[in-house]
Amino acid sequence: GGIITQTPKFLIGQEGQKLTLKCQQNFNHDTMYWYRQDSGKGLRLIYYSITENDLQKGDLSEGYDASREKKSSFSLTVTSAQKNEMAVFLCASSIQYEQYFGPGTRLTVL
Amino acid sequence: GDSVTQTEGLVTLTEGLPVMLNCTYQSTYSPFLFWYVQHLNEAPKLLLKSFTDNKRPEHQGFHATLHKSSSSFHLQKSSAQLSDSALYYCALRPNSGGSNAKLTFGKGTKLSVKS
Repeated sequence: GGIITQTPKFLIGQEGQKLTLKCQQNFNHDTMYWYRQDSGKGLRLIYYSITENDLQKGDLSEGYDASREKKSSFSLTVTSAQKNEMAVFLCASSIQYEQYFGPGTRLTVL
Repeated sequence: GDSVTQTEGLVTLTEGLPVMLNCTYQSTYSPFLFWYVQHLNEAPKLLLKSFTDNKRPEHQGFHATLHKSSSSFHLQKSSAQLSDSALYYCALRPNSGGSNAKLTFGKGTKLSVKS
């Protein structure tokens, strides 16, 4: 088995601030993902990476950057936090067909 | 592009009644279909995945059949339990080369089972 760890669990930022979310997996999976979860809007893909140093944009990449410097880690940066923004960011990894999700980072922007 | 449409919003059921959550899809390539379940304050996890037509995956009493003719993969269970209360996502993955690592998710259906 394995596990996906996301840090921090809760993130509170100010409008305009640059914020970084981190994800680590010990499954040794090649592909990793970042999703944003908003109530009523489902899971929307922000970025994914099929191997170390690879980055692929998802449907919601504007306003975000990502980095995959190691196979086991994938970080996401909110380039300029929007006031009153509130969402959960989920990291996932996969091999073949099944995606495994982390517990999420809950972002609140004041 | 690919898209997934699910029963929208909240579905409320009484314990013991059958469950059916709808999922239809559009995809250029014959896709793989999945159901993920997310209980409150937990991460989503895989519940079911499709294989080929006429093969019905089952897990924890849930089942779903991929019908290519109607582009559907509805989730069913004969008798709802209180512990089935959760958010359910239908997702697809194109069966093609290139960006087939990407899943497209529906907006989710919240199931609430009451006694």
